[in-house]
Amino acid sequence: KAGVTQTPRYLIKTRGQQVTLSCSPISGHRSVSWYQQTPGQGLQFLFEYFSETQRNKGNFPGRFSGRQFSNSRSEMNVSTLELGDSALYLCASRRDPNTDTQYFGPGTRLTVL
Amino acid sequence: ELKVEQNPLFLSMQEGKNYTIYCNYSTTSDRLYWYRQDPGKSLESLFVLLSNGAVKQEGRLMASLDTKARLSTLHITAAVHDLSATYFCAAYTGTASKLTFGTGTRLQVTL
Repeated sequence: KAGVTQTPRYLIKTRGQQVTLSCSPISGHRSVSWYQQTPGQGLQFLFEYFSETQRNKGNFPGRFSGRQFSNSRSEMNVSTLELGDSALYLCASRRDPNTDTQYFGPGTRLTVL
Repeated sequence: ELKVEQNPLFLSMQEGKNYTIYCNYSTTSDRLYWYRQDPGKSLESLFVLLSNGAVKQEGRLMASLDTKARLSTLHITAAVHDLSATYFCAAYTGTASKLTFGTGTRLQVTL
């Protein structure tokens, strides 16, 4: 069974640009969550989507947004990039919000110059 | 708001010896997870602990949960080099539907 896939794996952008990251969950998983990992702040929850609806959102500015498609694939978008947005962005999937374990993808390493 | 604290942040272990990582969380949590992360890699799920007194073991790793003390421990028995990685605990709250991670403990096993 294929795991969670994320594209692209690496990305370099400049301040002020916008970026879109993609996540394909494990087949049959309908819940997708996004996390940001930085050396200073650690792992922080961004948002979760289930059945194309955002269920919850972390404490991030409105520049961070996401969506989920009918095939459960999810995208997150960051507009007006700042240097501090440089991070590893991890996507995790699970069958539904009531099951126990989230399975993480390999991440997208975003560098903002 | 749920906060999760891990200690130590860094642990230099000698091969063959036993060590423990501690994970404290500030408010009631529905589930407690332990994850492993190798450098440059994603998170690998190790254990999920669901109830007070839960204990799970896999190889040289054993995790336990005390919900009354809001404490989980990850015990490493007879450390080996392959265990070198960063270990995270994470508390899950169903109402918020999110994982709150600890700071991580970087383990380094030396000969």
